[in-house]
Parts: sequence; structure tokens; C-alpha cells
Amino acid sequence: QSALTQPPSASGSLGQSVTISCTGTRNDVGGYNFVSWYQQYPGKAPKLLIYEVTKRPSGVPDRFSGSKSGNTASLTVAGLQAEDEADYYCSSYAGSQGAFGGGTRLTVL
Amino acid sequence: QVQLVQSGAEMKKPGASVKVSCKASGYTFVNYGISWVRQAPGQGLQWMGWISAYSGNTNYALNLQDRVTMTTDTSTNTVYMELRSLRPDDTGVYYCARGSITRTIDYWGQGTLVIVSS
Repeated sequence: QSALTQPPSASGSLGQSVTISCTGTRNDVGGYNFVSWYQQYPGKAPKLLIYEVTKRPSGVPDRFSGSKSGNTASLTVAGLQAEDEADYYCSSYAGSQGAFGGGTRLTVL
Repeated sequence: QVQLVQSGAEMKKPGASVKVSCKASGYTFVNYGISWVRQAPGQGLQWMGWISAYSGNTNYALNLQDRVTMTTDTSTNTVYMELRSLRPDDTGVYYCARGSITRTIDYWGQGTLVIVSS
């Protein structure tokens, strides 16, 4: 059982927007602004998309954005493209521990 | 450019130990930590722990702390992860990754497949 809760699947049509949620507790997501989001293609290592809730590393398109409210963080992918079809994981600082969500498979229709 | 190169695939019997290495290059090694993350076949990511490359201080996942040890060798910019008393459900891909103390991971190794089977 993952420490953070994500929906197992999400979908959207080309060009639309989709939002993936990540729910934790006040001991992780709600307690710190250290939430990250990762994209993973099958058989590949994950890639950092968002860090510290809202920040994007250089090279990540601004179609990807992050936010947080209380114990729930969210990743929004705007203007869906075919190459956005992948697994997405959230992660949070949790004191001496770390935590990942169970992952969300994003399907682009 | 930042690179993390891991050792090759391993096949182990239940009860044995495995030690995976992760050699870092392209950045100042002691300015960052290394996180270890594993992924069972068809499953999600699991945080295993973090080690400071500077001090060697560690944080281990509570469910692994009795079986895992992470060490660092600053002379070769290499981090090691040893997992003991292996079980079949330890089978998976093990990733090292450059990680901050806040658990942000910005660069990942290529992954090391560990298979535990009798």
C-alpha cells in the first residue's frame, strides 16, 4: 500500500487538459512544500516534471503545472499530446521518510 | 552532464544478499545525496532510502531499515546499496538517483534488475 493516494488511471482527449491528484496527510503532502511529480514510460527510468509543488526543471514544457491545497497535490497537463501517455507518480518529503504515490496511468484518447 | 551508472543485473537465491553500485559523474558529488528507489514488475515506485554523499548520514524506509545499508565512497564518487535476507518479493528494478534531502530526485540511473528466485 502506497503512502500517497493517486487515482490508478486518468484520460483525456488530444488538446484537452487533465488533472491528477495525490492525497497524503499533514505528515507529508500537507506539512511541507516538497512535492514532486515524475513521468515514466514503460521500461524507462522516471523523469522529474515538477518539484517543490510548482517548480518546473528546465526543459519541461509549461503544459505541465503543479499545485497543492491542504493534504492534496495536483498535476495538471494542459493541451494533451500523444507523447503524454505515460505513468505519473507523485512524491513527497515526509520527515525522515520519503513517499511515492501508487502511480496514475494517463491515456490520451 | 550528470550521469549515474549502476552495476549490472543480479540473480540471487532467497536469503542471500545483493550489493548494487552507483557511480556518479558530471557534478560535485558531495553537494548532493543519493536516493534509492525500487520498482517491482508491473508495480509502482517505492522509496528505499537516502544517503548524504557528504556526511554519509542515512534515512531508510521503515519497512526496510533492518535489511538495507547504504554507503558512500567519496574517493570514487560511488554509492552502494546492500539488501540482505532477500525474498522473492524483492525482485524488481533498483534505481539510484541524485536526490536532495527534501526528497526531490532530478537525475536517475539506468536501473539494476535484481531477481530473487530459488
